[in-house]
Order: sequence, then C-alpha cells, then structure tokens
Amino acid sequence: AQKITQTQPGMFVQEKEAVTLDCTYDTSDQSYGLFWYKQPSSGEMIFLIYQGSYDEQNATEGRYSLNFQKARKSANLVISASQLGDSAMYFCAMRDSSYKLIFGSGTRLLVRP
Amino acid sequence: GAVVSQHPSWVICKSGTSVKIECRSLDFQATTMFWYRQFPKQSLMLMATSNEGSKATYEQGVEKDKFLINHASLTLSTLTVTSAHPEDSSFYICSARELTSGRAVTGELFFGEGSRLTVL
Repeated sequence: AQKITQTQPGMFVQEKEAVTLDCTYDTSDQSYGLFWYKQPSSGEMIFLIYQGSYDEQNATEGRYSLNFQKARKSANLVISASQLGDSAMYFCAMRDSSYKLIFGSGTRLLVRP
Repeated sequence: GAVVSQHPSWVICKSGTSVKIECRSLDFQATTMFWYRQFPKQSLMLMATSNEGSKATYEQGVEKDKFLINHASLTLSTLTVTSAHPEDSSFYICSARELTSGRAVTGELFFGEGSRLTVL
C-alpha cells in the first residue's frame, strides 16, 4: 500500500529565506507521481509542483522546486525567498496507479516578517 | 481552465437531517471525481471515487449508505450525507481529473473550494 510521510508538523522560516519541507513515500508501483499542494486557511487546495517517477530532472515552478531522490524515496519541497503569503499548510501527495491521490499529514509553515 | 466549483461553501444542519453537496466541473468534462474529508488540523482522507454513469467506489471504512454519491453527468457529482450526526461535521472537498490536456498524464487533480459541514 502507498504511504506518504511528512515528519514536520510545523515549520518557521524568516521572510526572504529558503525553507525545505520534507516528504518521504512508500510504494511498490514503478510508475507514480508526486505532488505538493498548498492549503491556506480558506481551505482551497492549490497545486504547486509535480514530479513523475521517471522524470530525471527535479521539477521547478517559480520559487518552488522539488528535490527528488528516488532511491531514498523522498520528494522534499524547497521554497526559495519565502513570502508572508506562503504561510499555509503544505501537503505532499502521491498518485497511485488508479490515479487516486493519497496525502501526507501536512506541514504548517509560518513565515516570520 | 480546469475549474471545479463546489456548493454550498458551508452548511449548518440539525442532527438527523440530510445534506447534499454539489461538485461541478465548469470548463471540462470529468468522468472521474474524488471526494475527500478533512477533519480540523488533519489531512485529506479519500472517501470515494465517483464515476460518471456507474456506482461510486468507496474506501475502506466509509459507509456507502451514509455517504451517497451520484455522478449523473460528466460535469456534476453530488455527495449526500444522510441522517447527519455531529461526528459528520467536517470539511468535504471534491476534486476531478481533466483528461484532455497535458495535465491528464500527470494525474493532477483540480479541487473545489470545499464545503464545511456543521451538524448541531
């Protein structure tokens, strides 16, 4: 069975600094996808970045990059130049072969001015 | 593109009543929609997969007779919480796959705004 683990319930970062949110996963599938979503207090789920299991390059989307280490089964999110608006819950998720999305427990990020 | 709209955004009901939540794909057809539940300060838990024109597939531990899912058209799925009780109070959020763009390959889901249910 697939499993996503986020070991950081909460993180602080100073504005304009970079922060790494950890995510490890477990799956027996050869083909899978990894996602990061942001959930502000309003509750909406905002897609940030995607990494396919066969992608050799780490994904990047603006200030977001995904540090994909397949052998270690980790998919950490790096946010560069943090902004106050980045304060939110962040969820790592994995798509399984049936295209279901399974979420980790989340990390609450607070950006300090 | 790929907008999913959910209604109502919040609802308060009395214990024992039923509540219907609608999930619409506004600019694309969604043959598959997913319903999640999120308790406060917790993660999203998949409840069921809704397939257009067929029965929903429920995750283990989710009561299919309590959480009725209907996916009667390619743009609308509904979740009805029957005989709601206070323990059903939660944030319910739907999502859909858009199958015609490059995003279909990744399996990215587009989420509705969510519906916050409070059962008194």
